[in-house]
Amino acid sequence: DAGVIQSPRHEVTEMGQEVTLRCKPISGHDYLFWYRQTMMRGLELLIYFNNNVPIDDSGMPEDRFSAKMPNASFSTLKIQPSEPRDSAVYFCASSAQEYYGYTFGSGTRLTVV
Amino acid sequence: TQLLEQSPQFLSIQEGENLTVYCNSSSVFSSLQWYRQEPGEGPVLLVTVVTGGEVKKLKRLTFQFGDARKDSSLHITAAQTGDTGLYLCAALSNSGYALNFGKGTSLLVTP
Repeated sequence: DAGVIQSPRHEVTEMGQEVTLRCKPISGHDYLFWYRQTMMRGLELLIYFNNNVPIDDSGMPEDRFSAKMPNASFSTLKIQPSEPRDSAVYFCASSAQEYYGYTFGSGTRLTVV
Repeated sequence: TQLLEQSPQFLSIQEGENLTVYCNSSSVFSSLQWYRQEPGEGPVLLVTVVTGGEVKKLKRLTFQFGDARKDSSLHITAAQTGDTGLYLCAALSNSGYALNFGKGTSLLVTP
């Protein structure tokens, strides 16, 4: 298995633009998680899905953030409009079951200027 | 959301030295996980500890879960430059459905 695949690896965008981050989880993993990592706040859970259904989105900072999982092999995290404070590394992770360890992707480094 | 406090925040040592990093909380956990993250990559699972007092060894790394299941430690014997990275502890949130992470200990091992 190729692991969790995220794209793009790096994204630089101007304030106000829409940004879409993509994730392909490991086949057979029922759980998918989106995290954001910054130096100040560490790894923060944004949202997670179970069997393609959003279970907890309480970590999504504001209405500018939205996430979808249209099928078991694809998820997106969208920010519209983007702001400089959204600059961070965004990670997608998947897990076979909720109590198992997570497999993380390599992340998307987002810079909003 | 329970807080996982990791210490020290930064650690710089020379190859061959031993070190211990800590993960503490006021909450009791059913299990706790340790991850290592290298620059430009996502965290990678090292171990899961479940039973209070449990000790697990992974080559030169020794993980211990506190008797009360509120804390954990990671001891590295004879550190190597390849051990450099960010060590993160994580535990399930109060809802039991997703991992909360500590901010990590950033370890630098120099030749």
